[in-house]
Amino acid sequence: AQKVTQAQTEISVVEKEDVTLDCVYETRDTTYYLFWYKQPPSGELVFLIRRNSFDEQNEISGRYSWNFQKSTSSFNFTITASQVVDSAVYFCALSHFLSGGYNKLIFGAGTRLAVHP
Amino acid sequence: DTGVSQDPRHKITKRGQNVTFRCDPISEHNRLYWYRQTLGQGPEFLTYFQNEAQLEKSRLLSDRFSAERPKGSFSTLEIQRTEQGDSAMYLCASSPGGNQPQHFGDGTRLSIL
Repeated sequence: AQKVTQAQTEISVVEKEDVTLDCVYETRDTTYYLFWYKQPPSGELVFLIRRNSFDEQNEISGRYSWNFQKSTSSFNFTITASQVVDSAVYFCALSHFLSGGYNKLIFGAGTRLAVHP
Repeated sequence: DTGVSQDPRHKITKRGQNVTFRCDPISEHNRLYWYRQTLGQGPEFLTYFQNEAQLEKSRLLSDRFSAERPKGSFSTLEIQRTEQGDSAMYLCASSPGGNQPQHFGDGTRLSIL
C-alpha cells in the first residue's frame, strides 16, 4: 500500500533560521512521483515541486531545496533563511498510478510551519 | 490561466439536508479530481474524471455522494442527507494529463450543524 509520513506535526522557528521538513514514503510502484504543496491560511494548495522516481538529483529554487533519497524513501524539503511569509502547512504527496494511465495523490498529514519575526 | 474555481467557499447546513458544490477547472485541463480534507489531515482522494467520464471512485465516497462532469468542463459534487461526519474541506483539482501536477482550488468548507 502507498503511504506518506510526515512525522513533524508542527515546527516553530525564528525568522532567518533554516528549517527542514521531513517526508518518508512507502510504495510498491516502480515509477512514481513525489510532490510538495504549501497550504497557507487561505486554504488553497499551492504546488511547489514534482520529482520523479528516476531522478534523484537534488533541486534548489531560491530559498527552497529538496533532497530525494530513494535508498531511505525520503523526500525532504529545506527552507533557507525562513521568512514570516513561509508560515503555512506543507504537505508531501505521492502519486499512485491507476489503470488507465492517470494518478491520484496520497498526502501526508502535513507539517505546520510557524515562522516568527 | 484563471486557476481552479470552487463555489461556494463556505457552506453551513443542517444535518439531513442536501448540498451541492461546483468546481470549474483550468480550461484546458481534461482531468479533474475531488479530495476531502478534515482538520489536521492531508487531503484524501474521492473521485476522478477524465473529460466527462468518472473513472475512479474511492471507498470514502458512500452512496450519499454523487459527482458529475456533464460536458467535460465544470463538475458538481452532491452530498445527500448530510451527516456530522461530512464536515470537511472539499477540494477540487485539475491537470492537463500525463504526470503533470494537479492544481487545486481554494476548496469548499462544509459545516454540518
